[in-house]
Amino acid sequence: AQSVTQLDSHVSVSEGTPVLLRCNYSSSYSPSLFWYVQHPNKGLQLLLKYTSAATLVKGINGFEAEFKKSETSFHLTKPSAHMSDAAEYFCVVITNAGKSTFGDGTTLTVKP
Amino acid sequence: SQTIHQWPATLVQPVGSPLSLECTVEGTSNPNLYWYRQAAGRGLQLLFYSVGIGQISSEVPQNLSASRPQDRQFILSSKKLLLSDSGFYLCACRGRGLNEQFFGPGTRLTVL
Repeated sequence: AQSVTQLDSHVSVSEGTPVLLRCNYSSSYSPSLFWYVQHPNKGLQLLLKYTSAATLVKGINGFEAEFKKSETSFHLTKPSAHMSDAAEYFCVVITNAGKSTFGDGTTLTVKP
Repeated sequence: SQTIHQWPATLVQPVGSPLSLECTVEGTSNPNLYWYRQAAGRGLQLLFYSVGIGQISSEVPQNLSASRPQDRQFILSSKKLLLSDSGFYLCACRGRGLNEQFFGPGTRLTVL
């Protein structure tokens, strides 16, 4: 069995300041971990993925995430927030069978 | 790369009416296909997945059903909608390797 916990349902930052969205997971096997972003009334877009290669993963739009097995975490970060980053972010564990377990999501608000 | 089409984009239906949401995939053959539902303020819940024509697995007991009449077509249905069926429905396709999933644009269903 696997589960995903996104520790913050809402995060608010000012434009130009760092972003941290936290995700913890549990999995019976070595997981494939993903972050997806969903803008209002849009589908999901892949930000980045970890699949047992480098533990620090770089994604699109300046986002990156670090896989920490000892902490079972996969937190998403960005050095400087942009207004266009305002969206909902999902941390996801996907098994080899392709079945996904989603976190409940974190809504990121960026203030000017 | 895969392209996923979903229609309709939005739908408003009365309680007790039938439902048919369609998903088609381009750019791949014999894909694994998935239906997810996102309720307001919640993460995504896997409803059904299919590894081939006529092969459907249901993840949660519910008022909905799925069918896969063709290799790249996946249909979500209901005979009688409930208020609780309202939500955002996403069709997904498994990518080639790495467990990545590609998502369609989604259908927003409102049951009144």
